[in-house]
Amino acid sequence: TQLLEQSPQFLSIQEGENLTVYCNSSSVFSSLQWYRQEPGEGPVLLVTVVTGGEVKKLKRLTFQFGDARKDSSLHITAAQPGDTGLYLCAGAGDAGGTSYGKLTFGQGTILTVHP
Amino acid sequence: DAGVIQSPRHEVTEMGQEVTLRCKPISGHDYLFWYRQTMMRGLELLIYFNNNVPIDDSGMPEDRFSAKMPNASFSTLKIQPSEPRDSAVYFCASSLDSYGYTFGSGTRLTVV
Repeated sequence: TQLLEQSPQFLSIQEGENLTVYCNSSSVFSSLQWYRQEPGEGPVLLVTVVTGGEVKKLKRLTFQFGDARKDSSLHITAAQPGDTGLYLCAGAGDAGGTSYGKLTFGQGTILTVHP
Repeated sequence: DAGVIQSPRHEVTEMGQEVTLRCKPISGHDYLFWYRQTMMRGLELLIYFNNNVPIDDSGMPEDRFSAKMPNASFSTLKIQPSEPRDSAVYFCASSLDSYGYTFGSGTRLTVV
């Protein structure tokens, strides 16, 4: 069974601070995705990383996929109240290429950014 | 595109009743997924389809749960009989491949 562990589970910070959320597994994934979910809505895809060591930037958000494709991080620079939400990482597939379409989700990180 | 459409948004039912949740995926997406989200267990995959065929239903909790996809534009998740522990938010998602899902807004089910 593939498991993804996210840390921290809760993060409460002031506007302008930086933060990093981690997503770790003992399994290799063919790709890893990050989603953001707001109350009453479904998760919304932020980014997909595919290559080990890959770094992607989305405005103030920086996503990194570990070299071994087992872990990932999300870094937010100068957080704003609009960044508040539940951040989820999700791994797709495995090293053998099976379970191609199936995502395994981490438990999520609840981020609150205070003005 | 209107995205993934789920109905109803909210459902309150009594224990023992049958509940049917509906999903219309994005046109052209080959994969359809049903997830359940609770505070305790997070997002759990119940079942997924590829080209209308169920591929993996190992997450379906028990025989009370069933899912169908009669065509490429419609899927249902049925619980019969429902129990209070089934209370959760149920999400449908669709995708072209494994590189990004589009989720619906979910159905919040409360079984009393």
